[in-house]
Amino acid sequence: EAGVAQSPRYKIIEKRQSVAFWCNPISGHATLYWYQQILGQGPKLLIQFQNNGVVDDSQLPKDRFSAERLKGVDSTLKIQPAKLEDSAVYLCASSVRRGVDTEAFFGQGTRLTVV
Amino acid sequence: AQSVTQLGSHVSVSEGALVLLRCNYSSSVPPYLFWYVQYPNQGLQLLLKYTSAATLVKGINGFEAEFKKSETSFHLTKPSAHMSDAAEYFCAVSDYSGNTPLVFGKGTRLSVIA
Repeated sequence: EAGVAQSPRYKIIEKRQSVAFWCNPISGHATLYWYQQILGQGPKLLIQFQNNGVVDDSQLPKDRFSAERLKGVDSTLKIQPAKLEDSAVYLCASSVRRGVDTEAFFGQGTRLTVV
Repeated sequence: AQSVTQLGSHVSVSEGALVLLRCNYSSSVPPYLFWYVQYPNQGLQLLLKYTSAATLVKGINGFEAEFKKSETSFHLTKPSAHMSDAAEYFCAVSDYSGNTPLVFGKGTRLSVIA
């Protein structure tokens, strides 16, 4: 099966500019996550979707970050305006639960550099 | 709330030596535990997972981990390190429902010396 697709792979922007990332999860996966991974740290959850509804966005900086998952398939994450501290890799993941088994699959990520 | 602590941000081993990466978890409910590997400029790849079945879990590339409830640990081991094992390793926890998001440790960078 095809994996989680993310684009772009790399993005360089100036502070105060806006940027958007796109994610297409694995077909049939109802749950979609966006994680932020700052250099030298583990991924941190930004937002979790179940189909097209938000399950958890408690760690999303809502003054500048927004995300949507219209139609419950692909998703976009936007930052407006960007700050220097937003430089990180943004990882999208999707998962499906089959009985007691569950696994999250990750995309390759988008590396954002804010200058 | 759930959390994981990975002991040692950097581990260096000789090729052919035992690999041991440590992970301790904290969870108020039965946990699901995972180890992921990340190669440079790549996403996260699942190595193995514990989802309440066998406590000794075997994964890909010769890695295995043992869930020890009494020690709240889920250490990752491999009997003989290979150069291709050099990467960043992340331990993660979610709850037994499997529907909560993964909470990751800070990661351990494994270096393998020839």
